[in-house]
Amino acid sequence: AQTVTQSQPEMSVQEAETVTLSCTYDTSESDYYLFWYKQPPSRQMILVIRQEAYKQQNATENRFSVNFQKAAKSFSLKISDSQLGDAAMYFCAYRKSNRDDKIIFGKGTRLHILP
Amino acid sequence: ETGVTQSPTHLIKTRGQQVTLRCSSQSGHNTVSWYQQALGQGPQFIFQYYREEENGRGNFPPRFSGLQFPNYSSELNVNALELDDSALYLCASSPGRSVNTIYFGEGSWLTVV
Repeated sequence: AQTVTQSQPEMSVQEAETVTLSCTYDTSESDYYLFWYKQPPSRQMILVIRQEAYKQQNATENRFSVNFQKAAKSFSLKISDSQLGDAAMYFCAYRKSNRDDKIIFGKGTRLHILP
Repeated sequence: ETGVTQSPTHLIKTRGQQVTLRCSSQSGHNTVSWYQQALGQGPQFIFQYYREEENGRGNFPPRFSGLQFPNYSSELNVNALELDDSALYLCASSPGRSVNTIYFGEGSWLTVV
């Protein structure tokens, strides 16, 4: 069975600084997707960034980038120039293939932004 | 704005009662999934519906059931509520099984007392 592990329950970063959230996963599949979702107090899951396992290039979305290490089954999220609006729960997530919408989530990391 | 609307936002039920949670998706979103998110945890997959038929189920007992309707709305029903059913229930929809963009609603907070 696939699992997703986030070992940092909480993290804090100074506004404008850079922070990295860690995630490891376990799967025997070769084709899958990895995601980082943000859940603010409004509770709605917002997709931050997506990585296809077959792509070697790390995904980037503005201030958000990932470090995808397929052999190590590691998928970390880097947030640059942290802003107060980045404060939220962040979930690392896995999906087996493009045709399977079941998403497996980690337990989350609560990110605090210090002004 | 994801176009996924859930109701009610909050509700309180007594142990042993039954509850129905509702989700309204965007037109054309024929795949809907439900997740349970306990306090301090990540969401757990309950089941998925595709074109009004159950298309996958997580590790939840049969008292969790669902329906999907032709108008892109869906329901999650939970019978014989237990205290551990207290959680945020999230609905997620997508335009089809071959598209990897999934849209989440804001969830329904269920408290069982």
